Amino acid sequence: KQEVTQIPAALSVPEGENLVLNCSFTDSAIYNLQWFRQDPGKGLTSLLLIQSSQREQTSGRLNASLDKSSGRSTLYIAASQPGDSATYLCAAFDNAGNMLTFGGGTRLMVKP
Amino acid sequence: NAGVTQTPKFRVLKTGQSMTLLCAQDMNHEYMYWYRQDPGMGLRLIHYSVGEGTTAKGEVPDGYNVSRLKKQNFLLGLESAAPSQTSVYFCASSYTGLSGLAGDGEFFGPGTRLTVL
Repeated sequence: KQEVTQIPAALSVPEGENLVLNCSFTDSAIYNLQWFRQDPGKGLTSLLLIQSSQREQTSGRLNASLDKSSGRSTLYIAASQPGDSATYLCAAFDNAGNMLTFGGGTRLMVKP
Repeated sequence: NAGVTQTPKFRVLKTGQSMTLLCAQDMNHEYMYWYRQDPGMGLRLIHYSVGEGTTAKGEVPDGYNVSRLKKQNFLLGLESAAPSQTSVYFCASSYTGLSGLAGDGEFFGPGTRLTVL
């Protein structure tokens, strides 16, 4: 059974810092890995999706990498802003199970 | 494009009551999913559907039933609500699952906050 872990569970940084959020998964047989953002009381917004054959994806100040062999993905946020404050979730789409398995999320606060 | 919509946004039930949550998507997606999100437990898959007329169990299916009579709609039913079903329910849809085509990921609805007293 796939297990997805995100470390740290919470992170507080001053505005302008570059930061890295970590995601690890136990079963490397994934179809893709997706990073989401969730604001309090809201649904999930997809940020980046990395196919299993890709190593990274970029969107604006966000860069996500994928290393299937080590079971890791990272989300890099450059020049963080207070508007980046949210919970960030990673999820692995399992080849075998037809389903996304979510990590517990990292709650990010960027202080002005 | 409304994307993925969920009805209702909030609901309070008494133990033993029944209700149906409606999810609708206008993106012609084949796959649809129902998740529940609980503090400390993250998001867990309840049921999913790989196409009209199909349903399958996810990680936590007990106490729920689903139906996919139309491609654009996915219904989640609680026949006899229990306090343990108090949660936020999210519906999602995607174009492909395991079809081998490049997927565009899952799109989520805004959620339904359900409280069972």
